Amino acid sequence: KQEVTQIPAALSVPEGENLVLNCSFTDSAIYNLQWFRQDPGKGLTSLLLIQSSQREQTSGRLNASLDKSSGRSTLYIAASQPGDSATYLCAVPRVKNNDMRFGAGTRLTVKP
Amino acid sequence: EPEVTQTPSHQVTQMGQEVILRCVPISNHLYFYWYRQILGQKVEFLVSFYNNEISEKSEIFDDQFSVERPDGSNFTLKIRSTKLEDSAMYFCASSGSLLQFFGPGTRLTVL
Repeated sequence: KQEVTQIPAALSVPEGENLVLNCSFTDSAIYNLQWFRQDPGKGLTSLLLIQSSQREQTSGRLNASLDKSSGRSTLYIAASQPGDSATYLCAVPRVKNNDMRFGAGTRLTVKP
Repeated sequence: EPEVTQTPSHQVTQMGQEVILRCVPISNHLYFYWYRQILGQKVEFLVSFYNNEISEKSEIFDDQFSVERPDGSNFTLKIRSTKLEDSAMYFCASSGSLLQFFGPGTRLTVL
């Protein structure tokens, strides 16, 4: 059964700092991996999708990497801002086009 | 930009009552999903729906739950007799290929 783990559970950094969030998964036979942002009491906003054949994806200040063989993904946030404060979730589909298995998330606080 | 919408945003109900949560997926998507998130816990998969039938369901999705696509646009989740432990945020998602797009969620509170 696919298990997704995220560390740290919470992270607090000063504004402007670069940071890395970690995601690990137990079954490396994944189709893709998706990173989401969740604001308190809100829905899930998709940030980046990395397909299994890719090593990384970039969107603005965000860069996600994927190492399937080791079962790891990282989300790098450059020059963090207070508006980046949220919970960041990673998720992998169990099979193609099917249910996502989520990590518990990393709660990020960026202090002004 | 197309988005998944859900109604209501918050539903309060008494234990034992039936609730229907509604979702409008993105119009050209073919795959539909329901997830739930109990406060402070992980987002959990409930059910996936494709070609007008359930394609996969989790152990959470027991006989109290059902899904329906009553017309060309809506996708509903019904809980027949709600229990206290059904209190959670329920998310609908849809996808056309690899990327799943999530709705804003319905917060269900069972008293």
